[in-house]
Amino acid sequence: DQQVKQNSPSLSVQEGRISILNCDYTNSMFDYFLWYKKYPAEGPTFLISISSIKDKNEDGRFTVFLNKSAKHLSLHIVPSQPGDSAVYFCAASGGSNTGKLIFGQGTTLQVKP
Amino acid sequence: ETGVTQSPTHLIKTRGQQVTLRCSSQSGHNTVSWYQQALGQGPQFIFQYYREEENGRGNFPPRFSGLQFPNYSSELNVNALELDDSALYLCASRGLAATDTQYFGPGTRLTVL
Repeated sequence: DQQVKQNSPSLSVQEGRISILNCDYTNSMFDYFLWYKKYPAEGPTFLISISSIKDKNEDGRFTVFLNKSAKHLSLHIVPSQPGDSAVYFCAASGGSNTGKLIFGQGTTLQVKP
Repeated sequence: ETGVTQSPTHLIKTRGQQVTLRCSSQSGHNTVSWYQQALGQGPQFIFQYYREEENGRGNFPPRFSGLQFPNYSSELNVNALELDDSALYLCASRGLAATDTQYFGPGTRLTVL
């Protein structure tokens, strides 16, 4: 039972354009969501998070949007840079499982120069 | 500030053997979690330790066990290794609050032959 889903295994965008990565979840008890970026041979690096009491959080080039009614979140990267090329994971936590993160399968982003 | 470190980087074992993986938490972090990341998948939560006690566990059999030490370093032990245990094992540490960001180490790549 996949509670967090990233339905796009890969995404390719041109440098300078917007990258939009999507994530869906099924568990309405989730109240905290995060995005991590992962390069090969490294651990996941935290990017940005959002609490369920908000619908948007922004940090520099990165913005996360949360649509609770649709159980959907997205990560926008503007403008995209070649160094953003990596695997992006969304993760969720909440309910009684404090601290336990449930991850999606990941989306590989390629930003072309 | 020292980040999360893990050792060893790579490990090769044969089926039936036992393995111990090690993790040093980020300075000031008292909670550590372990995740298993199979190829092409997102990390899966194994368990979490706080104050040297397990306080959350994912869907993993008892042959996966752990320890947390007074200095907040941690071990993951896997007994009776199976081929499917081949994966990247990630350690993450965070502060006390459940919404504190989890910071990941680089991982240990375990191969079971």
